[in-house]
Formats: sequence, structure tokens, C-alpha cells
Amino acid sequence: EVQLVESGGGLVQPGGSLRLSCAASGFTFRSCWMSWVRQDPGKGLEWVAHIKPDGSERYYVDSVKGRFTISRDNANNSLYLQMNSLRAEDTAVYYCARISSGPIFDYWGQGALVTVSS
Amino acid sequence: EIVLTQSPGTLSLSPGERATLSCWASESISSRHLAWYQQKPGQAPRLVIYGSTTRATGIPDRFSGSGSGTDFTLTISRLEPEDFAVYYCQQCGSSIVTFGQGTKLEIK
Repeated sequence: EVQLVESGGGLVQPGGSLRLSCAASGFTFRSCWMSWVRQDPGKGLEWVAHIKPDGSERYYVDSVKGRFTISRDNANNSLYLQMNSLRAEDTAVYYCARISSGPIFDYWGQGALVTVSS
Repeated sequence: EIVLTQSPGTLSLSPGERATLSCWASESISSRHLAWYQQKPGQAPRLVIYGSTTRATGIPDRFSGSGSGTDFTLTISRLEPEDFAVYYCQQCGSSIVTFGQGTKLEIK
């Protein structure tokens, strides 16, 4: 069974940093593109970033370029999102998602809430 | 960036009725690059349709997708109580992924 479990969310002040983790199991992690997608509470979905299986290619939505970094550890089946210079508008539930061909998000974690507030 | 616009914003129907949800793209996209997701309160999204027409694993055959170019549709032939949720379309025609704003399907 595919499982994706996020951790690392919480409350952070504007300008601060936070690192999200996603533990993957039930599939061959090292063979899959992976992604982060966020959702402002009560609002719609926004793709944040995705990363190639070997980590050699990474793509970001414009609003997080230069502030967020997606990375992965294939030896430990883990995906990460390093978030720096956080802003109030980054407040959201962050989902880890596995990418099928497309990219299509075929499996999602339960989400981690990040709140940016003073 | 390709913008996806969903219509209607809210659709009020009764169980047993047919639901038709629309998704328009700001420019033409390949049918292979259009997907639909279902999201219930407090849950993560769930893939329903990919490649415009292919049902994801475990999705009942009352769900169907169609369309091409800039105009795509998700149809639920006979609504069951568990189908009431928010539905999002998503495109991945380039390295940038975008979602529509969602259609809330509510019980009338």
C-alpha cells in the first residue's frame, strides 16, 4: 500500500524558515517524480514544486522560486521542502504527492499545516 | 501559464441526478495532460480521472471524462451520497502545473 506521511509543519514568524518532510513507503520511491502541493485553508490547490527521481531536475511555481527548495533522499525514501523567508501568504496545508506520468498526482499524503504569523 | 476556469462554482443536485462539471483552459492542451480530483472536507484530494478520459484505480464507472483542446467535462451519471465533494481539474502541459478553482458539488 502506498503511504505518504508529512511532518514538520507548525507556526513560524514571517521571515522564518521551516523544513517539511515526507516519508514514503509501499512503492519504489527512487523511480518516481515527487511533488509538493499546497492549499490555503478553505481555498483551492496550488502546485508548489516537483523533483525528478534522481534529483537532477526541479521545478517551482514562480511565487516560491528563490525561497523554497525541494530535495529528496532516495536511500531513506524521503522527500523534503525547505522553506525560507516565509510570508503570510505561504500559510497553507502542504501535501506531498507522488507523480504518475503527466505529471498527474496519483497518491497524496494527509497534509501538514504551515502557519506564518507573528 | 495556462489558466483553468471551472464552471459552475457550486452545483446543487440530488442523489440519482446527473452532474456535469466543466473546465476551460486559457490555451489548448493535450488531452493526455488533463486530470480531475475529488476532495472531501478534511481529506487530501483523490485522483478521479487522468488523460481526460481514464478512470483512476477504484473509481466507479458512473464517473466519466471527456473533452479536448480547451474544453473538458467531468460527468457523474447518477449521483451517490459519497460523490458530494469539491472537484478540481488540473493540467500539466508544461513544466508548470495549474489547477482550476474548483466546483463544489452539494446536496440539494
